[in-house]
Amino acid sequence: GAVVSQHPSRVICKSGTSVKIECRSLDFQATTMFWYRQFPKKSLMLMATSNEGSKATYEQGVEKDKFLINHASLTLSTLTVTSAHPEDSSFYICSAPTGYGYTFGSGTRLTVV
Amino acid sequence: GEDVEQSLFLSVREGDSSVINCTYTDSSSTYLYWYKQEPGAGLQLLTYIFSNMDMKQDQRLTVLLNKKDKHLSLRIADTQTGDSAIYFCAEIRSNTGKLIFGQGTTLQVKP
Repeated sequence: GAVVSQHPSRVICKSGTSVKIECRSLDFQATTMFWYRQFPKKSLMLMATSNEGSKATYEQGVEKDKFLINHASLTLSTLTVTSAHPEDSSFYICSAPTGYGYTFGSGTRLTVV
Repeated sequence: GEDVEQSLFLSVREGDSSVINCTYTDSSSTYLYWYKQEPGAGLQLLTYIFSNMDMKQDQRLTVLLNKKDKHLSLRIADTQTGDSAIYFCAEIRSNTGKLIFGQGTTLQVKP
């Protein structure tokens, strides 16, 4: 079945640094990738939609300059959290549409110290 | 309303049936989903149902869909301690193709 590989699974970084999260579609081409953020004990909030070869579209309230999304190829989408702060600590997860639904990456636990 | 809504918590005894309810918003949504999330892990697709179906059964899981009321439910028969997790329902918004989640229902299974 369709698999989305997400890396890293966990990352700890210092305030002010940037962190890149990668999602790769392993056995299919993902023209679209959705990026979600999940706060502790909360639901998944859609942050943005990346489309291969074009600019990402961001949900209301999501800072474009803080959360940089790139979808340079049909198999790779990246989310870069720039100038990270402790409030950016969260669980980030990507998802790509497949035949009947959506396949999710395994998620990235980001902790900013 | 604009949100997909679920009750936040359900506690059952091992061996009982669990029923998790969800109210969605988009009457044109073609697919509706149930996902399971264990602590510290990603999302696992449990099951899905097409909008033209009323019921779908898959082993211990039964999904019921009431399109008139935009109500979706997940029944887990013979609930086990390994079923303890957060369960999310989700709908595809027909106008955007975006997958929108409910708040999640935490299922606690007591031995």
